Amino acid sequence: TQLLEQSPQFLSIQEGENLTVYCNSSSVFSSLQWYRQEPGEGPVLLVTVVTGGEVKKLKRLTFQFGDARKDSSLHITAAQPGDTGLYLCAGADNAGNMLTFGGGTRLMVKP
Amino acid sequence: EAGVVQSPRYKIIEKKQPVAFWCNPISGHNTLYWYLQNLGQGPELLIRYENEEAVDDSQLPKDRFSAERLKGVDSTLKIQPAELGDSAVYLCASSLKLAGAGETQYFGPGTRLLVL
Repeated sequence: TQLLEQSPQFLSIQEGENLTVYCNSSSVFSSLQWYRQEPGEGPVLLVTVVTGGEVKKLKRLTFQFGDARKDSSLHITAAQPGDTGLYLCAGADNAGNMLTFGGGTRLMVKP
Repeated sequence: EAGVVQSPRYKIIEKKQPVAFWCNPISGHNTLYWYLQNLGQGPELLIRYENEEAVDDSQLPKDRFSAERLKGVDSTLKIQPAELGDSAVYLCASSLKLAGAGETQYFGPGTRLLVL
């Protein structure tokens, strides 16, 4: 079983602060995805990273895939209240099947 | 284009009662997933369909859970009988999975189940 551990589990910060969320595993994934989920809704895909060492930017969000494709990070610059939500990472096996979700990081950005 | 549709959105039942959830995936998507999500945690895969075939049901508690995807489109997930510990959000997702390529899952809003 491929497990993904996310840290921290909870994060409460003030608007304008920066933060980093981590997703770690002892297993290698062919790709890794980050989702954001708001209360009462399903997760929504933010990004997919495929290549070891890859960095993708989405406005104030920066995603990095580890060189060994075992870990990933999500960095948010100048967080805003609209960034509040549950951030989930999910890994895919070599066949491209999205098998495993991490436990999530619940972010609250206070105005 | 409509997203993944799930119904009902909320369900409250007493323990030992049966319950069923329905999912209509995005048109043309060949792969359908059912997940269970406990409060504040990540989704856990219950079953994955490719067209009408259940290709991964290893995490489905088959003594009380069943699922079907007739004609490879809509799907239902059933629990009979429900237990207190089944209270959770049941998420359905669909994707267009092509051989050798990655996929993007699109999630429905989920059905929130409360077993009393």
